[in-house]
Amino acid sequence: RKEVEQDPGPFNVPEGATVAFNCTYSNSASQSFFWYRQDCRKEPKLLMSVYSSGNEDGRFTAQLNRASQYISLLIRDSKLSDSATYLCVVNIEGSTDKLIFGTGTRLQVFP
Amino acid sequence: GAVVSQHPSRVICKSGTSVKIECRSLDFQATTMFWYRQFPKQSLMLMATSNEGSKATYEQGVEKDKFLINHASLTLSTLTVTSAHPEDSSFYICSARDLQTQYFGPGTRLLVL
Repeated sequence: RKEVEQDPGPFNVPEGATVAFNCTYSNSASQSFFWYRQDCRKEPKLLMSVYSSGNEDGRFTAQLNRASQYISLLIRDSKLSDSATYLCVVNIEGSTDKLIFGTGTRLQVFP
Repeated sequence: GAVVSQHPSRVICKSGTSVKIECRSLDFQATTMFWYRQFPKQSLMLMATSNEGSKATYEQGVEKDKFLINHASLTLSTLTVTSAHPEDSSFYICSARDLQTQYFGPGTRLLVL
């Protein structure tokens, strides 16, 4: 079983739509959680951290359920520029603070 | 946000040659840098953790004699792919940690012919 699992998609949605991505992680020692965005042939960029209480940044809302080991990302009012691959990332804190990446969920927003 | 650079951005080489990739933190000091590899349609896989002034820590299955890492200063880590083969062709990305956040370099695309 992969340490971080995501639906690879692609999710094809029209502009203005709301779309949700899910992610599950297997290591209960995971301490920190993030969503990264990766554009084609580019490096990943931090979109937002995910907190237990849930957090929102503009059109983006992230939720964490530690009991179910489940993370979600909700994007409201999708824009064409949101088209990218969204990577679910967990950090197992310890001596190396390793980031474990999911394979990503591809989003394509069309006009 | 913090900036991390990588050089070169793209390299094409013949099988059997060695390739060095540099990773620099431009506006902060990074005692720890990370090297990742990403094959097409796959996730980033951590190869090794590079610690300034000490030996790198390699992930299981990554050959330390093939992927040489040097972290000689607080702003520079290098990854050398020795005797590269076509199966080493990949997207190599470094990251540097500033406080609690990892910032990624733009990546180096390696093609071994």
